[in-house]
Amino acid sequence: SQTIHQWPATLVQPVGSPLSLECTVEGTSNPNLYWYRQAAGRGLQLLFYSVGIGQISSEVPQNLSASRPQDRQFILSSKKLLLSDSGFYLCALDRGVYNEQFFGPGTRLTVL
Amino acid sequence: GDSVTQMEGPVTLSEEAFLTINCTYTATGYPSLFWYVQYPGEGLQLLLKATKADDKGSNKGFEATYRKETTSFHLEKGSVQVSDSAVYFCALRRIGSEKLVFGKGMKLTVNP
Repeated sequence: SQTIHQWPATLVQPVGSPLSLECTVEGTSNPNLYWYRQAAGRGLQLLFYSVGIGQISSEVPQNLSASRPQDRQFILSSKKLLLSDSGFYLCALDRGVYNEQFFGPGTRLTVL
Repeated sequence: GDSVTQMEGPVTLSEEAFLTINCTYTATGYPSLFWYVQYPGEGLQLLLKATKADDKGSNKGFEATYRKETTSFHLEKGSVQVSDSAVYFCALRRIGSEKLVFGKGMKLTVNP
């Protein structure tokens, strides 16, 4: 069965510092992978998705970037964090005939 | 474009009350429809799905029927429990699309 690992689970960072969040998956190959952000009290915002190594589609302009250096690794980065980057970051993959998405446990990021 | 509109709440119910969460959608073609649940501090979990008109998805006492004529996928449960306290998201995905479209989510609190 498929498993998604997200690291770290929680993170507190100062404004202006860099960011690297990691998502690794097991039990599948060549998955479509997704990064979502959930700000406090708000819904899900799709940030990036990837259909393969080195292939990244960005959904909203922002100071975040994503990379997929390996088939089962998806990384979310920033060079300089903003206060508005605080939130709950979720990694997901497509699963099943109807492509329901399977979500990881999330990373809670607080920017101070 | 595709969109999902759902009750946003928050909603507070007493244990054993009847629950309905309304969800309507706009999409071209015949999307698959999903309900996801997010328990406090966790990622999203697929609760149920329906892939064609008149399909009924069910899980953990929850049900939703794909109504094409009213473009709706309302979530119901006859008797809620404290453990059902969570945020509920309605979502759709068109065949061939790389993206899941989410509603804004509804927070449910069930009191004993």
